[in-house]
Amino acid sequence: QKEVEQNSGPLSVPEGAIASLNCTYSDRGSQSFFWYRQYSGKSPELIMSIYSNGDKEDGRFTAQLNKASQYVSLLIRDSQPSDSATYLCAVKNNNNDMRFGAGTRLTVKP
Amino acid sequence: DGGITQSPKYLFRKEGQNVTLSCEQNLNHDAMYWYRQDPGQGLRLIYYSQIVNDFQKGDIAEGYSVSREKKESFPLTVTSAQKNPTAFYLCASSRGSGDIYEQYFGPGTRLTVT
Repeated sequence: QKEVEQNSGPLSVPEGAIASLNCTYSDRGSQSFFWYRQYSGKSPELIMSIYSNGDKEDGRFTAQLNKASQYVSLLIRDSQPSDSATYLCAVKNNNNDMRFGAGTRLTVKP
Repeated sequence: DGGITQSPKYLFRKEGQNVTLSCEQNLNHDAMYWYRQDPGQGLRLIYYSQIVNDFQKGDIAEGYSVSREKKESFPLTVTSAQKNPTAFYLCASSRGSGDIYEQYFGPGTRLTVT
């Protein structure tokens, strides 16, 4: 079992819709969770971090964390074509090692 | 401007040659990291350093070496012992290494070995 799992996609949504990206992790002791956006050929860019159960909102982005279910998600409201990228879920495990999922590729169609 | 720089952006080498990738940060971050990214895979940790003159192996350290002589710099050498060196190499840094600290990435170096 991979430490961090994401659906590879591609996930395709129309412009203006809500994109929902999901991630599960295996280390129950994990305390810190991050979402990165990576445009093709570029390096990952941090967009959200979340440490407590529940929702955390930042502009059009909402991160949701459920530690009991070992599940973290990212919602993007009012999706724009510029949101088209690969989204990486990252989890700091019990040893404070950052583990990355393989990423979900999102395409927002005009 | 504060940030992380990596050079060069693209690097081409012949098999059997060692090559050193540069990573510099002016964020005053204590911790620095090297990752490797292959198509369709998550980032894998090569080496990390929590403080000057100290570093630890990550999950895939074989065939790589690092040094941390200055807080700002964490160069990575890809040696001829690395069996599959062609990849996208990413340097990251964070204020600390505890669970609350976020990692920020440099622009990356794409290495091609033929």
